[in-house]
Amino acid sequence: QKEVEQDPGPLSVPEGAIVSLNCTYSNSAFQYFMWYRQYSRKGPELLMYTYSSGNKEDGRFTAQVDKSSKYISLFIRDSQPSDSATYLCAMSARDGSEKLVFGKGTKLTVNP
Amino acid sequence: DSGVTQTPKHLITATGQRVTLRCSPRSGDLSVYWYQQSLDQGLQFLIQYYNGEERAKGNILERFSAQQFPDLHSELNLSSLELGDSALYFCASSLDRGGNTIYFGEGSWLTVV
Repeated sequence: QKEVEQDPGPLSVPEGAIVSLNCTYSNSAFQYFMWYRQYSRKGPELLMYTYSSGNKEDGRFTAQVDKSSKYISLFIRDSQPSDSATYLCAMSARDGSEKLVFGKGTKLTVNP
Repeated sequence: DSGVTQTPKHLITATGQRVTLRCSPRSGDLSVYWYQQSLDQGLQFLIQYYNGEERAKGNILERFSAQQFPDLHSELNLSSLELGDSALYFCASSLDRGGNTIYFGEGSWLTVV
């Protein structure tokens, strides 16, 4: 079983839709959870960073962590064509980026 | 723009050859990370340097090596290249050795033919 599983999609939604992206993981030691957005042929950029369980909101983006289920989610409200990108979840067992484990990414297309 | 600079952006080389990828971290960042991204493997951590010293090693092949120089720029050397080494290679940087956030460069796209 891979440490981090992420549905690669692709996911296609109409503009204005609510998007739900998810990852599951197997390592119960993971404590830090991140979502990165990667546009085509560009480097990943950090979107959200959360510690342990709970929710975090930033504008149209909400990150949720359920450690009991080993499941994390990213919700995008009022999705825009500019949100079209690949979204990667990442997590680590301590506050050390060298142990960051990435999901393979979900490709999202938001159609105008 | 993340502030992390990578060169070259693209390169094509033949099997058996050697290439060097260069990375300049964000101003003030002491840690440099190298990642490999391919379609089937996703984003794989290769190696981290902190202030000139190797700090952590991931899935880096013996044919690959890296170093961080006194001015904090880093180079990733890939030798005896194989077709399977074709991938996007990212450099990332962070302020400290175990940063909460790392910032990625635009990547170097390597094609081995």
